[in-house]
Amino acid sequence: NAGVTQTPKFQVLKTGQSMTLQCAQDMNHEYMSWYRQDPGMGLRLIHYSVGAGITDQGEVPNGYNVSRSTTEDFPLRLLSAAPSQTSVYFCASQKGLNTEAFFGQGTRLTVV
Amino acid sequence: AQKITQTQPGMFVQEKEAVTLDCTYDTSDQSYGLFWYKQPSSGEMIFLIYQGSYDEQNATEGRYSLNFQKARKSANLVISASQLGDSAMYFCAMRELISGTYKYIFGTGTRLKVLA
Repeated sequence: NAGVTQTPKFQVLKTGQSMTLQCAQDMNHEYMSWYRQDPGMGLRLIHYSVGAGITDQGEVPNGYNVSRSTTEDFPLRLLSAAPSQTSVYFCASQKGLNTEAFFGQGTRLTVV
Repeated sequence: AQKITQTQPGMFVQEKEAVTLDCTYDTSDQSYGLFWYKQPSSGEMIFLIYQGSYDEQNATEGRYSLNFQKARKSANLVISASQLGDSAMYFCAMRELISGTYKYIFGTGTRLKVLA
């Protein structure tokens, strides 16, 4: 089973560039989310979705967009990259709210 | 205010001994969930254990158990018979209802080092 597939694993962007982090899961999970992890801090929720067509903001949504056109895919878009968005990004999916989260391998993003 | 507090940035434990990682939380919800995840140096996040706020028994999963003290709002992770492979970052997380929607909040983590 692939589980949660996140691409790319590493990315370097110049300030002002845009890009999309891809996330796909093959477990038919309704709940998907994006987090960022910064040194000395835990994971912070960027955006999440409770099903296809439904998305909502998390703790740190500014500078990011998401969409959920299918159950499987939940891409994260950086509209105009800033150095403050240098971080490790994790996508996660869950079957339900009280079930374990399955995480992707993470994307290490550097904005220069 | 911190919703999830992990006061131990780093911990050492001797191999085969037990270790407790602390987690306290702050919520006004009656219904919430608490999770522990492990993050090895390779970077992936691995689910360890879950405790619901209405669960009367402490959760256990193999060598992992959760010492849930609801009145004290603590959900400490106990790892028995530590192994070298347990060396990792450990995160406590809470599922909480905020403004009508469910969100997950993570603590800052505890780095555990198991000594041979």
